[in-house]
Amino acid sequence: DTGVSQDPRHKITKRGQNVTFRCDPISEHNRLYWYRQTLGQGPEFLTYFQNEAQLEKSRLLSDRFSAERPKGSFSTLEIQRTEQGDSAMYLCASSLAGPRRDPEMTQYFGPGTRLLVL
Amino acid sequence: AQKITQTQPGMFVQEKEAVTLDCTYDTSDPSYGLFWYKQPSSGEMIFLIYQGSYDQQNATEGRYSLNFQKARKSANLVISASQLGDSAMYFCAMREPFNYQLIWGAGTKLIIKP
Repeated sequence: DTGVSQDPRHKITKRGQNVTFRCDPISEHNRLYWYRQTLGQGPEFLTYFQNEAQLEKSRLLSDRFSAERPKGSFSTLEIQRTEQGDSAMYLCASSLAGPRRDPEMTQYFGPGTRLLVL
Repeated sequence: AQKITQTQPGMFVQEKEAVTLDCTYDTSDPSYGLFWYKQPSSGEMIFLIYQGSYDQQNATEGRYSLNFQKARKSANLVISASQLGDSAMYFCAMREPFNYQLIWGAGTKLIIKP
């Protein structure tokens, strides 16, 4: 069973450019999460999908950020008009379905995409 | 409000010694889950161990165990017989029911000395 994969692993871009990241979850997982992590900090939640439906978005997810999961499998995270403050590690995670009240639903993470905006 | 506190920014431990990483949490919900993840310098977040709030026994996974003290709201990670490969950032995280996201602590950087 392969784990969560993310592409690219590293991205350097100039301020103002658009970037898109891809995440492929563990195949039987129908839940997918995006987090952002800046240096020296814990991850911050960005958004969450169950199948193809985006069910929750953080206030951190400004209008320049958009995420999709069109067929309920892989997901993309796009950042438009990048700013230097967008430089961070973008982590994707997936989990199995389960009752919403179940606090376990362990999330398994991919290797992340490191973004540097010059 | 939900909150996770890790008070040790960094720790140095001699190889083969046991190490305890501290984590305290704050929640008003009686049902919650606590997680520990390891993040090596490569960046991947690796799941280590889980403890549910209603679990009667402390969780164990190989060399990892969780010292869960519910009344004190602490969930410390214990690594026995530390190895050089244990050098990494360690994060404590919490999830409440009906809430999809994990709430994370700031992490502890663990360095194992040979």
